[in-house]
Amino acid sequence: KNEVEQSPQNLTAQEGEFITINCSYSVGISALHWLQQHPGGGIVSLFMLSSGKKKHGRLIATINIQEKHSSLHITASHPRDSAVYICAVRSGSGGGADGLTFGKGTHLIIQP
Amino acid sequence: DAMVIQNPRYQVTQFGKPVTLSCSQTLNHNVMYWYQQKSSQAPKLLFHYYDKDFNNEADTPDNFQSRRPNTSFCFLDIRSPGLGDAAMYLCATSRHRVSGTRGNTEAFFGQGTRLTVV
Repeated sequence: KNEVEQSPQNLTAQEGEFITINCSYSVGISALHWLQQHPGGGIVSLFMLSSGKKKHGRLIATINIQEKHSSLHITASHPRDSAVYICAVRSGSGGGADGLTFGKGTHLIIQP
Repeated sequence: DAMVIQNPRYQVTQFGKPVTLSCSQTLNHNVMYWYQQKSSQAPKLLFHYYDKDFNNEADTPDNFQSRRPNTSFCFLDIRSPGLGDAAMYLCATSRHRVSGTRGNTEAFFGQGTRLTVV
């Protein structure tokens, strides 16, 4: 079973700061997801990665398959970025439909 | 436009009274998942449907059942809810092709149903 660890668990920063959230996992994966969950529960998928790097607006996600590690970066952070950011992995080969294994999330607060 | 819709958003049920949560999708994805998320915990997979094939997680209690009458709809049935079943229930979908091809897609989540048991 894959173990997914995120750090930090809680992060408070000032508006404009560069934010990094880390994720490591224990077993080889077919894909890694970064998700955002706001109060009230709904989850939004930010990125799905199997290699390299992806960028969307102020968000950047990277993955190092050999090191079993991924990072989510937020540039020019804003109070509206405040949310729980969750790393989740899909284990096994690329064609599988196995469910995701989630990290416990990083609770991010951006203060004005 | 919402692509994965869960109803209701909030559900209150009595201890032991059967309850059904609903999920529908407009994405025509072939896989639908149900996750349980208790307060301050990570979501946990209960089961998923790959097309019509039901796949139960080994540690999902028998109290939890699911139905998928067609591609668009999937239901979570809790036969006799206990106080410990109070949680957020999340539905998600994705599209997978046959093994050996690059079939994974992103997971699309609904807004969740928050279940309270009284």
